[in-house]
Amino acid sequence: DTEVTQTPKHLVMGMTNKKSLKCEQHMGHRAMYWYKQKAKKPPELMFVYSYEKLSINESVPSRFSPECPNSSLLNLHLHALQPEDSALYLCASSPLGGANEKLFFGSGTQLSVL
Amino acid sequence: DQQVKQNSPSLSVQEGRISILNCDYTNSMFDYFLWYKKYPAEGPTFLISISSIKDKNEDGRFTVFLNKSAKHLSLHIVPSQPGDSAVYFCAARGVLSGGYQKVTFGIGTKLQVIP
Repeated sequence: DTEVTQTPKHLVMGMTNKKSLKCEQHMGHRAMYWYKQKAKKPPELMFVYSYEKLSINESVPSRFSPECPNSSLLNLHLHALQPEDSALYLCASSPLGGANEKLFFGSGTQLSVL
Repeated sequence: DQQVKQNSPSLSVQEGRISILNCDYTNSMFDYFLWYKKYPAEGPTFLISISSIKDKNEDGRFTVFLNKSAKHLSLHIVPSQPGDSAVYFCAARGVLSGGYQKVTFGIGTKLQVIP
C-alpha cells in the first residue's frame, strides 16, 4: 500500500463552522505533512509531524490546528476560517532518516470558505 | 521570495519528441532536487530526483540534469508520450534550523504532449 488517503475530497464551509480534514497512510512513514496550495501557486508547507510530534509550524494562524493521533493518522482542524483560506490542502508522508526525501502525497481536499 | 522558479507556465510538444522542462533556484544550501508530476484531481507523485553532488540522473525516459554553478536544473523526457501530459513541479530540499528538512516547490509547468 503506497497510498496517502485524504478525506473529504471537497469541503465547503462557512466562516463560523468547525470542520476537520483527515489523512491516513499505512506505509510506516514517521513523518507527515500538511501543505496548502492556492491556484497557480506552488504547494506551501504548513506543518510537519515526526514521530507523532509537531516538529515544524510554518507560522500558520491558530485557526488551523493539526493533530496526529497515531503514526498513521493526521488531522487538520479548521475553525473560523477566512475566504482567503480557500485552497487545496495536501497531506504527505515520508520516511525519516533517509537521504532521499521523497514525499508521498494524497489527492488533497479542495476547501472553499464562504 | 520564490526560491524555486519555473519560468515557463506551459509547454506543448509533439508525441515522440523531447520535452525539456527547466527550473532555477536561488538557495545554494539546497542539497537535493526532485521533480513531481501532477494530474488533475490527484496529488503530486514523485518522478525523479538528483543529489546536489551529481550532475545527471536517468530513469527510463526521464533524465534530470543539474548545473550547480548556474543554479539550474532541467528535466528531459524522451520520447514524450500523451500520458506525460500533466503539471510538473520542480522541488528542492533544504535543512531548517533544528535539522528538519523542508521541500520547496516551484509553481509548476503544464506539459501537453500532442498525439
